[in-house]
Amino acid sequence: DIVMTQTPLSLSVTPGQSASISCKSTQSLLHSGGRTYLHWYLQKPGQSPQLLIYEVSSRFSGVPDRFSGSGSGTDFTLTISRVEAEDVGVYYCMQGIQFPQTFGQGTKLEIK
Amino acid sequence: EVQLVESGGGLVQPGGSLRLSCAASAFAFSSSWMTWVRQLPGKALEWVAEMSQDGSHISYADSVKGRFTISRDNAKNSLYLQMNNLRAEDTAMYYCARDLSWGRTDFWGQGTLVTVSS
Repeated sequence: DIVMTQTPLSLSVTPGQSASISCKSTQSLLHSGGRTYLHWYLQKPGQSPQLLIYEVSSRFSGVPDRFSGSGSGTDFTLTISRVEAEDVGVYYCMQGIQFPQTFGQGTKLEIK
Repeated sequence: EVQLVESGGGLVQPGGSLRLSCAASAFAFSSSWMTWVRQLPGKALEWVAEMSQDGSHISYADSVKGRFTISRDNAKNSLYLQMNNLRAEDTAMYYCARDLSWGRTDFWGQGTLVTVSS
């Protein structure tokens, strides 16, 4: 199975500042077809997970452009510029290149 | 508005069975891969099972293989998860979700809680 490792596991950020979360996989997530199947999800308190970023850097419908994803192969980063209070929750990366699909441990974002 | 509504969770003794249901609406269910994901008490997310549009492709996590069965009824826009021989470690919130492609799950239900305890 592909293991996904996120760092840090928690973040405390002042509103207006930026935040970055790293996600590393034990195998390359680059498919032979040229796409990379690394996705980011946010679970806000009391809610189901929601898709934020798919295939490394594509924002899902309705996601503010403050959220951006980057990376390749086995190393990926989610960056939130100008953090707002509504961004609190737990962020998960997830690989979809092979079954079983696997998630990172989650990174909890809090606002200072 | 797209909706996925899970039901069927509850308290069950170890070794018991439960059948979860997920009712889908406002999207082309019969054209969608569907998946079950669970969230353990410590908040970790674990992919459980997935099924293709016509049921020809099915995959399970090793932790549930041989005990859980995913199925669907496209005429009823419904997804199911039959869970047998339940263990304490199956205690979790179970979500159904639509997998657009390669793990890009764009719609999730609100979840149904399964508790396995004597």
